[in-house]
Amino acid sequence: QQQVKQSPQSLIVQKGGISIINCAYENTAFDYFPWYQQFPGKGPALLIAIRPDVSEKKEGRFTISFNKSAKQFSLHIMDSQPGDSATYFCAGPRAGYALNFGKGTSLLVTP
Amino acid sequence: DAGVIQSPRHEVTEMGQEVTLRCKPISGHDYLFWYRQTMMRGLELLIYFNNNVPIDDSGMPEDRFSAKMPNASFSTLKIQPSEPRDSAVYFCASSSTPGLAGEYNTGELFFGEGSRLTVL
Repeated sequence: QQQVKQSPQSLIVQKGGISIINCAYENTAFDYFPWYQQFPGKGPALLIAIRPDVSEKKEGRFTISFNKSAKQFSLHIMDSQPGDSATYFCAGPRAGYALNFGKGTSLLVTP
Repeated sequence: DAGVIQSPRHEVTEMGQEVTLRCKPISGHDYLFWYRQTMMRGLELLIYFNNNVPIDDSGMPEDRFSAKMPNASFSTLKIQPSEPRDSAVYFCASSSTPGLAGEYNTGELFFGEGSRLTVL
């Protein structure tokens, strides 16, 4: 199984600030690095993902940065908004097409 | 498409009772996953199917848990007998096989809204 460890467990950011969540992985055979977003009462949904052959991917206010040598990838949320308040999960592949998820980071963006 | 549909959304039962959770995956998806979410353990993969065949059930906690997928549009997760420690949110997710060999695993799982189980 591919294990991922994310930090911090929780995060409070003021509106307009930058939210940063980190994820460390164990196995260099990873070929895909996704972040999922989950709102209360809903299932997780894919937010953004990156392949290991690029170091950064940006989609709107969301950016994934990938550091192969450190075996880490991080999620940056620029100009954080109260609507971004959710739980964020990084994930890594396991045998087949299933995913192992990190424990999650609860983000609260205050007005 | 309506997305992954799970039922019931909420279930409250007493210890020892049988619980059946149901899932309808997105049409055309050939993978179906059952996850369990708790505060302590996060999102755990219980079992997944490919083309209705169970591929990996190593996450099923005990023999009290069983899952079936009789056809491409329906799956059940059954707990018999249920225990208080089974209280959790159970998610079903589906996905389709990534493209031709050599393409990376897209890994996009489409989750339902979950079934919240409370065992008293």
